[in-house]
Amino acid sequence: DTAVSQTPKYLVTQMGNDKSIKCEQNLGHDTMYWYKQDSKKFLKIMFSYNNKELIINETVPNRFSPKSPDKAHLNLHINSLELGDSAVYFCASSLTTDKQFFGPGTRLTVL
Amino acid sequence: DAKTTQPTSMDCAEGRAANLPCNHSTISGNEYVYWYRQIHSQGPQYIIHGLKNNETNEMASLIITEDRKSSTLILPHATLRDTAVYYCIVRVVGGSNYKLTFGKGTLLTVNP
Repeated sequence: DTAVSQTPKYLVTQMGNDKSIKCEQNLGHDTMYWYKQDSKKFLKIMFSYNNKELIINETVPNRFSPKSPDKAHLNLHINSLELGDSAVYFCASSLTTDKQFFGPGTRLTVL
Repeated sequence: DAKTTQPTSMDCAEGRAANLPCNHSTISGNEYVYWYRQIHSQGPQYIIHGLKNNETNEMASLIITEDRKSSTLILPHATLRDTAVYYCIVRVVGGSNYKLTFGKGTLLTVNP
C-alpha cells in the first residue's frame, strides 16, 4: 500500500499549457505539502495545507495554485507553464508538525 | 530554524558503519535534530530525530553531543542501498512550525 502517491510520475508539456499534478495520502495525516526540487537538486517547500486550510505559501508565482478537496488530497495546478517550471515536484504529508512522508515525485518537463 | 553544516560528500565501505556528522552550533533549546535521506530519483525519506538524548531505531542511531551543537547519524552496517544524500535539519516541533528546510546535505556513497 502506497502511503503518499502522486500522478502522473512524468509530465512532458509545451510552454504555455496548463497542467495538474495530483497527490493522495492514506496515512490519516492532517497536513500536506508541495515541494519543488530543481535541476541543482535544491528541495524547497512551496505550499502546505492543514485540515484543508492553506498554512504555508512561499514565494511562488500566482500561476501555481494548490487545491485541497479533503484532508487526503492535495493537487497542484500550474497555469501558463514556463521553461523554468521544469523540476521534480514532491508531495508530502504529516500529522501536524511531526515527521513528513514524501511521495515518489512527479518529473515535469516543459519544452 | 537553526542552520546546519554538513560535509558535501563521504565514502563508506559496504558492511562498515557510516558516520555522518552535522554541525548546528546555533541550535536553540526547543529545536530538534532531524535526519532525512534521498535515494536517487526517489522522494526524501525520514530516518530519525532527537532532542538531546541519543536515539536508535531500525534504520540508524543518532548521537547528539551534550552541548547539542553537533550530532552524528550512524548507519551501523552500510549497504549499497544506503547510497543517498543525507540531510540534517534542525527545527522546532509543534506550534505552527510545519516547515522542513533542506540544505545541500551529504552525498554518502557506499562502495562494494
